[in-house]
Amino acid sequence: SAVISQKPSRDICQRGTSLTIQCQVDSQVTMMFWYRQQPGQSLTLIATANQGSEATYESGFVIDKFPISRPNLTFSTLTVSNMSPEDSSIYLCSGGAGESTDTQYFGPGTRLTVL
Amino acid sequence: AQSVTQLDSHVSVSEGTPVLLRCNYSSSYSPSLFWYVQHPNKGLQLLLKYTSAATLVKGINGFEAEFKKSETSFHLTKPSAHMSDAAEYFCVVVDTSYGKLTFGQGTILTVHP
Repeated sequence: SAVISQKPSRDICQRGTSLTIQCQVDSQVTMMFWYRQQPGQSLTLIATANQGSEATYESGFVIDKFPISRPNLTFSTLTVSNMSPEDSSIYLCSGGAGESTDTQYFGPGTRLTVL
Repeated sequence: AQSVTQLDSHVSVSEGTPVLLRCNYSSSYSPSLFWYVQHPNKGLQLLLKYTSAATLVKGINGFEAEFKKSETSFHLTKPSAHMSDAAEYFCVVVDTSYGKLTFGQGTILTVHP
């Protein structure tokens, strides 16, 4: 199994600023993902964080708004850029071996409020 | 494309009575399916998973789910609800290529004394 931590756990930010969220895994994982959970809603995949290359974004999400880094197999960051109140959400990272049968482990989430 | 539909947004039961959370999926191939639970202000925890082995899957905390291909369903059940089961439950279908997860809308389970 893998234990995933995220920093910060929560933040309150001003409109127009940016926030970088860190995700740390206690063991190497092949795949890492970033999700958004808007208030009262389910989780939506933002992107797949690829080690050593650009992230793969899902429809509706772009690199300029959500730049992602993954310098190694245990760490990734997600930046929420030029924030607006609509970006207020919980952001979660996850990691796994990449096989469909394997468990994917989730971090505790970062609760972001944009004023 | 694959998708998953949770048929109930809220389910309310009394403690000690059975729990049924319904999930239907759509996939062009034989999918892997998971159930995750999210307690208030806590992270997501895997309850159980189906990966094309036994169709009746047993998970943690007394939960189980049955994969029925003919009905494209993967309903979650528990014989007797406990107060600690109150949480939000997500049915998830897994992309076989890269392990990407597609989440259902979630079912909030309330357990009354």
